[in-house]
Amino acid sequence: GENVEQHPSTLSVQEGDSAVIKCTYSDSASNYFPWYKQELGKGPQLIIDIRSNVGEKKDQRIAVTLNKTAKHFSLHITETQPEDSAVYFCAARRLDDMRFGAGTRLTVKP
Amino acid sequence: GAVVSQHPSRVICKSGTSVKIECRSLDFQATTMFWYRQFPKKSLMLMATSNEGSKATYEQGVEKDKFLINHASLTLSTLTVTSAHPEDSSFYICSAISVDTQYFGPGTRLTVL
Repeated sequence: GENVEQHPSTLSVQEGDSAVIKCTYSDSASNYFPWYKQELGKGPQLIIDIRSNVGEKKDQRIAVTLNKTAKHFSLHITETQPEDSAVYFCAARRLDDMRFGAGTRLTVKP
Repeated sequence: GAVVSQHPSRVICKSGTSVKIECRSLDFQATTMFWYRQFPKKSLMLMATSNEGSKATYEQGVEKDKFLINHASLTLSTLTVTSAHPEDSSFYICSAISVDTQYFGPGTRLTVL
């Protein structure tokens, strides 16, 4: 089955800096790659997603890149703000089977 | 995006009792819903896939007699933790797919005393 690895597990940046979180997946048939933000005590919220027919997608300060050949995708957050502090999960989906990375705890220091 | 709700948000129960958690898709119909369990500082672990009008599909290692799932309508799935024990204490999250995008509920914090 699919195996998703996520790095780093923790990331601390200064407000205004960029943050990058990387994920790799094993199943080449996976075709949908969402990113979720989870704040303490809440359910995951979808922040951006990318499908396998696209290499990059951007939404304001958030962007995701996908390299299908290398089977990895990354989340880029620019101009980070303290409210970006949360746990971020990547995921890879094939049909109805979605697998999650272990999560990255991002801390943005003011 | 689509909205998924869960009820209750928190529940505390005594060991040996059963607890029901509801998951609703508020503005869309979901033939398939998913139930996840999340331990502190850990990722989401898929417990089962709930299919409207049929039996749920459980992941390996998940006791189907302990975690009863009912998906009676296109907008409601329920998870019942039967004869709960302290080790069942966890954060339970449901999810549903709308237009090929998966949305999550806010989660239910279960504490078994």
